[in-house]
Amino acid sequence: GENVEQHPSTLSVQEGDSAVIKCTYSDSASNYFPWYKQELGKRPQLIIDIRSNVGEKKDQRIAVTLNKTAKHFSLHITETQPEDSAVYFCAAFSNTGKLIFGQGTTLQVKP
Amino acid sequence: NAGVTQTPKFQVLKTGQSMTLQCAQDMNHEYMSWYRQDPGMGLRLIHYSVGAGITDQGEVPNGYNVSRSTTEDFPLRLLSAAPSQTSVYFCASSYSTGRKETQYFGPGTRLLVL
Repeated sequence: GENVEQHPSTLSVQEGDSAVIKCTYSDSASNYFPWYKQELGKRPQLIIDIRSNVGEKKDQRIAVTLNKTAKHFSLHITETQPEDSAVYFCAAFSNTGKLIFGQGTTLQVKP
Repeated sequence: NAGVTQTPKFQVLKTGQSMTLQCAQDMNHEYMSWYRQDPGMGLRLIHYSVGAGITDQGEVPNGYNVSRSTTEDFPLRLLSAAPSQTSVYFCASSYSTGRKETQYFGPGTRLLVL
């Protein structure tokens, strides 16, 4: 079945540094890859997404890259700030209508 | 628009009891899904629906039933609650056209089974 692996499970960086979270997916038919941010006690919120016909997408300090051949995609956060501290989830959407999530990465940005 | 709403916010059940978690959306979204979230496990898909009258199983469907009689509502039923079903449950919905893959989550229901 479909599977999404996410690494690392925890990530600690100094304020101003960059953070990178990586995901791999198993279903080659997946064509949409969103990233969600979840703050403690709150619902997941979409922060950026990428479709299979695009290799890279950027939105201010966050960017996502996709390598369809290798079935890898990554989230890059530059100039991290304390408010970036949260749990981040990657996900992959397949033609079957399922959105499958990775296990999550807890990002801590130290002031 | 109220968006995606879920009731109750919090529920305590005894083992063996049944209950229904309610989910509703007022955005005319065709896609609706239920996820459970456990520490270290991420969000796991329980059941999903691509339209009224159509449902399908996700990654962890055992112990849960769903139905989709209207576009707006997608209730999740626990027939005989077990402690392993203690979790936070999120309902999500997405557009029927355009960015239909982008799912928007409800506020969640925290369930404790004793």
